Amino acid sequence: GENVEQHPSTLSVQEGDSAVIKCTYSDSASNYFPWYKQELGKRPQLIIDIRSNVGEKKDQRIAVTLNKTAKHFSLHITETQPEDSAVYFCAAKTESGGSQGNLIFGKGTKLSVKP
Amino acid sequence: NAGVTQTPKFRILKIGQSMTLQCTQDMNHNYMYWYRQDPGMGLKLIYYSVGAGITDKGEVPNGYNVSRSTTEDFPLRLELAAPSQTSVYFCASRKGRVGNSPLHFGNGTRLTVT
Repeated sequence: GENVEQHPSTLSVQEGDSAVIKCTYSDSASNYFPWYKQELGKRPQLIIDIRSNVGEKKDQRIAVTLNKTAKHFSLHITETQPEDSAVYFCAAKTESGGSQGNLIFGKGTKLSVKP
Repeated sequence: NAGVTQTPKFRILKIGQSMTLQCTQDMNHNYMYWYRQDPGMGLKLIYYSVGAGITDKGEVPNGYNVSRSTTEDFPLRLELAAPSQTSVYFCASRKGRVGNSPLHFGNGTRLTVT
């Protein structure tokens, strides 16, 4: 089955710097890769996603890149702000669960942005 | 819309007790999920449902049961609580297939088994 590895587990940056979080996946059939942000004590929320027919996607200060050959994808946050501090989870769609698939999550990265 | 609503928010159980975590959504979503979140371990899928009357096991189903008698409700049952079930539980739903519609999470239930 699918396995998703996420690195680093913790990341501390200065406000205004960039942050990069990387994930690798094992199932070459996976074709959908979302990223979720979870603030302390809150629910996870989708911030950006990418499909396997696209190599990069941007939304303001966040971007995701996908390398299908190497089976890894990354989240890039530019001009970080204190409100970006949260735990970020990557996920990959597995082909288990019948035709609709399910998401396998990475273990999360705790990002701290220091003012 | 209230979205995905979970109750209770917190619960402490003794070993061997049973309880039901409630989840309801008012978005007419077909797909519903139960995840558990342990510190540093991400989200693990317990059970899921693709529609009323249909449920299936996820990655970590042992010790849990679910039912889906209506589109709106997807309760999670713990029959004999064990300390290993101490976790934060999230219910989630989506309208369509993975990749075609976003996953909406509830606010979570923090369960402690002592």
